[in-house]
Amino acid sequence: EVQLVESGGGLVQPGRSLKLSCLASGFTFSNYGMNWIRQAPGKGLEWVASISSSSSYIYYADTVKGRFTISRDNAKNTLYLQMTSLRSEDTALYYCARFRVDGYNYFDYWGQGVMVTVSS
Amino acid sequence: DIVLTQSPALAVSLGQRATISCRASESVRSSMHWYQQKSGQQPKLLIYGASNLASGVPARFSGSGSGTDFTFTIDPVEADDIATYYCQQSRNDPLTFGSGTKLEIK
Repeated sequence: EVQLVESGGGLVQPGRSLKLSCLASGFTFSNYGMNWIRQAPGKGLEWVASISSSSSYIYYADTVKGRFTISRDNAKNTLYLQMTSLRSEDTALYYCARFRVDGYNYFDYWGQGVMVTVSS
Repeated sequence: DIVLTQSPALAVSLGQRATISCRASESVRSSMHWYQQKSGQQPKLLIYGASNLASGVPARFSGSGSGTDFTFTIDPVEADDIATYYCQQSRNDPLTFGSGTKLEIK
């Protein structure tokens, strides 16, 4: 069974940093691209960042480019999101999602999400 | 960026058909996918590639369309289908989602 479990969220002051983790199990992590997607309270879904299976390709949304860094450790089956210079508008539930790249490219499994609140 | 436009809400009677539309600001060919998000839960993939049913998803769910106009259908609607449904395109970066359509029961 595919499982994605996020951790590392919490309350953080504006301008500070936070690092999220996503532990994957039930599949060969090193074979799949991974993503972070967020959802502000009461709002829709926003793609944040993608990383390919071997970390060769990395993409960011313009809203986080230069502040967030996506990375992965295939030996530990773990995806990360380092967030710096956090703003109130970064407050959201952050999901990690597996990327199925078979010609269509879609998110086939999602974690339960971890909450990040940016507030003084 | 490709903008995906969805109606905000839809009310349907149990046992009837629900049809949700998603219009893209430019062609995404067949790179359109649909997700269901129930209250307090993570999104779940239902349809990929515009019309392909994801594994384990009941055949009551279906999708159609290509280019800029897409339709997601539930027939018949069951009480458990109360959720918000999102379309998402993967034709161009950045990957974008529609704003979601909340399905309500009449």
